[in-house]
Amino acid sequence: EVQLLESGGGLVQPGGSLRLSCAASGFNFGAYAMSWVRQAPGKGLEWVSTISGDGSITYYADSVKGRFTLSRDNSKLYLQMNSLRAEDTAVYYCAKTGGNAAPYYFDYWGQGTLVTVSS
Amino acid sequence: EIVLTQSPATLSLSPGERATLSCRASQRVSSYLAWYQQKPGQAPRLLIYDASNRATGIPARFSGSGSGTDFTLTISSLESEDFAVYYCQQRFNWPCSFGQGTNLEIK
Repeated sequence: EVQLLESGGGLVQPGGSLRLSCAASGFNFGAYAMSWVRQAPGKGLEWVSTISGDGSITYYADSVKGRFTLSRDNSKLYLQMNSLRAEDTAVYYCAKTGGNAAPYYFDYWGQGTLVTVSS
Repeated sequence: EIVLTQSPATLSLSPGERATLSCRASQRVSSYLAWYQQKPGQAPRLLIYDASNRATGIPARFSGSGSGTDFTLTISSLESEDFAVYYCQQRFNWPCSFGQGTNLEIK
């Protein structure tokens, strides 16, 4: 059974940093690209970032490029978020990708971790 | 960036009725479109990928169709657990993007 468990969310001041983690199990982690998708309160879904299975290629939404860094190690996915802004406030979902070529769809999702950026 | 427009924003139907949800892309995305269901307080769940393929464990009452710019998600006979928000997503090019959602509510 595929399981994705996010952690690391919380309250942070504007300009601050936070690192999100996602622990994956139940599938061959290194064989799949992984992603983060976020959802602001009461809003729709927004793709944030994707990393290839071997970690060599990363993709970022323009809204986070230069501020967020996605990495992976063994069966964990990390999202380093710097220079946080109020508009980054959202539930962040870790998602396993499906499909045989990038870009991807998202076939399994974690339950999400809430990031709140506020003074 | 490809913009996906979903219609209607809200759809009010009764259990047993047929639901038809639409997603229109601002440019052609071939068949690289997926549909997700999201219930309050839960993560999204993949229903359909590449326009017409049901994901693992998805009931046969869910079907997808379309290609190019116009896509449809059909739920043949609504059950109580189907009332939720539905999103489409394109994976034709970067950045992959989502529609704004259709809220399927009980009439």
